[in-house]
Amino acid sequence: DAKTTQPNSMESNEEEPVHLPCNHSTISGTDYIHWYRQLPSQGPEYVIHGLTSNVNNRMASLAIAEDRKSSTLILHRATLRDAAVYYCILGYYKLSFGAGTTVTVRA
Amino acid sequence: EAGVAQSPRYKIIEKRQSVAFWCNPISGHATLYWYQQILGQGPKLLIQFQNNGVVDDSQLPKDRFSAERLKGVDSTLKIQPAKLEDSAVYLCASSYSGTSGGSYNEQFFGPGTRLTVL
Repeated sequence: DAKTTQPNSMESNEEEPVHLPCNHSTISGTDYIHWYRQLPSQGPEYVIHGLTSNVNNRMASLAIAEDRKSSTLILHRATLRDAAVYYCILGYYKLSFGAGTTVTVRA
Repeated sequence: EAGVAQSPRYKIIEKRQSVAFWCNPISGHATLYWYQQILGQGPKLLIQFQNNGVVDDSQLPKDRFSAERLKGVDSTLKIQPAKLEDSAVYLCASSYSGTSGGSYNEQFFGPGTRLTVL
């Protein structure tokens, strides 16, 4: 499985944007970039995914570098409910979770 | 729509005992996954079913873990005998289809079962 590198933790203030980076220099041409998040004491939930182009949905935006070796998940206005572990995952249908980035949102 | 259901939510057992977890996926979802999540780590895939057949069980410790998905709907995961290192949260997930080309199928996770082995 191709590997991703994420910061261990990030802090943000409520109602400010959060930019979560992910490096994946060994990504293959068929690998999707998936983002899932896990709120405390819950199972992971899907956030967004992309292949080559930037993507937007109601939860977040995904910006993918032109060479696909890195990507950034953007939460446009963080709320306290966005405090979670965010996982950047490569692959097609199989999800191999790393340790993720723990996001803390300050009120 | 109803989400992925798991039971029990919590279980405490002594080492060398056996334990079973149950999962009911979202209706119509052909693919079912079991993950193990040790404290401080991301979930690790143990086994993936497509309908009632096993697609991937490469990381399932088959000497003590077993899983089945009779009739291609709900599933059970069993550990026999349990070891201290099996203490973890066991997550079940489902997706409409796990391996079909073309359309993306996100995984939906249940709340998990927290197992403590003493």
